[in-house]
Amino acid sequence: SQQGEEDPQALSIQEGENATMNCSYKTSINNLQWYRQNSGRGLVHLILIRSNEREKHSGRLRVTLDTSKKSSSLLITASRAADTASYFCATDDLTSGSRLTFGEGTQLTVNP
Amino acid sequence: DADVTQTPRNRITKTGKRIMLECSQTKGHDRMYWYRQDPGLGLRLIYYSFDVKDINKGEISDGYSVSRQAQAKFSLSLESAIPNQTALYFCATSLPSYNEQFFGPGTRLTVL
Repeated sequence: SQQGEEDPQALSIQEGENATMNCSYKTSINNLQWYRQNSGRGLVHLILIRSNEREKHSGRLRVTLDTSKKSSSLLITASRAADTASYFCATDDLTSGSRLTFGEGTQLTVNP
Repeated sequence: DADVTQTPRNRITKTGKRIMLECSQTKGHDRMYWYRQDPGLGLRLIYYSFDVKDINKGEISDGYSVSRQAQAKFSLSLESAIPNQTALYFCATSLPSYNEQFFGPGTRLTVL
């Protein structure tokens, strides 16, 4: 079963715009991670936010976590065509023994 | 050189055949995972191993088996392949203390 659900499923924006993707989950978590996948390739870890953190930044990425709403958002600022990829949230929940459960992803297209 | 490698990268086989997918890593991580990804979906965990003597079933282990030959090697077998096992298969590794996962490039398996 999928723990994380991303919204929207697909997002198309112009270069320079900001992109926001949301993730909702169902259980209590240790941390939530965001991964990126270029078409048909392996996933690449972007950022991890722990359950006691509310916001985290890494370069053009900003992640927020609201444990009361069981939701997270990933903001990519000043997007570039090279940001075109699928983005997945993954949760490490308290009962999983450090296994990750992935959502179905958001397909982001950044048009030049 | 890639830290996590998978062989083969592409494989076409027939229903009923036995298939082995191999994963090797040079990261020195104890934890290794096998996932499958179906089109438009997130990753689902097949098996995982936290050390050489530890093998655990994931969400969708039926029809699959694994072998952890060494810290660096983790193989996935399909004993009798069936068409609905057509998917993209990923191997991943992680450290115990920090659950960021590092993914291989994937194996695209087609079962006819």
